[in-house]
Amino acid sequence: NSKVIQTPRYLVKGQGQKAKMRCIPEKGHPVVFWYQQNKNNEFKFLINFQNQEVLQQIDMTEKRFSAECPSNSPCSLEIQSSEAGDSALYLCASSLSRGGQAPLFGEGTRLSVL
Amino acid sequence: GEQVEQRPPHLSVREGDSAIIICTYTDSATAYFSWYKQEAGAGLQLLMSVLSNVDRKEEQGLTVLLNKKDKRLSLNLTAAHPGDSAVYFCAVKSGSFNKLTFGAGTRLAVCP
Repeated sequence: NSKVIQTPRYLVKGQGQKAKMRCIPEKGHPVVFWYQQNKNNEFKFLINFQNQEVLQQIDMTEKRFSAECPSNSPCSLEIQSSEAGDSALYLCASSLSRGGQAPLFGEGTRLSVL
Repeated sequence: GEQVEQRPPHLSVREGDSAIIICTYTDSATAYFSWYKQEAGAGLQLLMSVLSNVDRKEEQGLTVLLNKKDKRLSLNLTAAHPGDSAVYFCAVKSGSFNKLTFGAGTRLAVCP
């Protein structure tokens, strides 16, 4: 019964193609996170926002990955030129505040790069 | 940065038995701790979270214990049933922006 909605559930792309996934956070949650979970169950933090402002992002995100959380629209994560190593489950999460509350996660978008 | 170790990686119990999963962490300033459940093909379901000033929390057959002295967090499923079969992750908050550091996960199998 996750209230963080991610679309699409599955995404298949060829190498070099763009891959875009979307996230609607829990209503009233201004803080949004993106994580990458690989097949070994390792989580990598990608980026987080408070409203439309980027709070933190890793170096990888600054290059091929782009993300935004426009007002009154779903948040999105886009990979400009997909690579095989990008195949993973991309999880969006939201929380009420920067600290002190555990984020709620969506069902994820499973990206396969062929 | 924060490091989290989780054990065991695999756990098999019979229906009705207890299942205990343990995480240790390194940053004594960690503010809160969470447990998530991930079923096959699904996202992460938040089970319980505790602030650093809480030693014990119980909800719906789950008990979370926090030992700050030993930097150890545990999840106890007191009477496991087959629907509890999933991968469980501990997660601790690190830094000032609510970023989580996850354990490696425990794959729990509950046999009827």
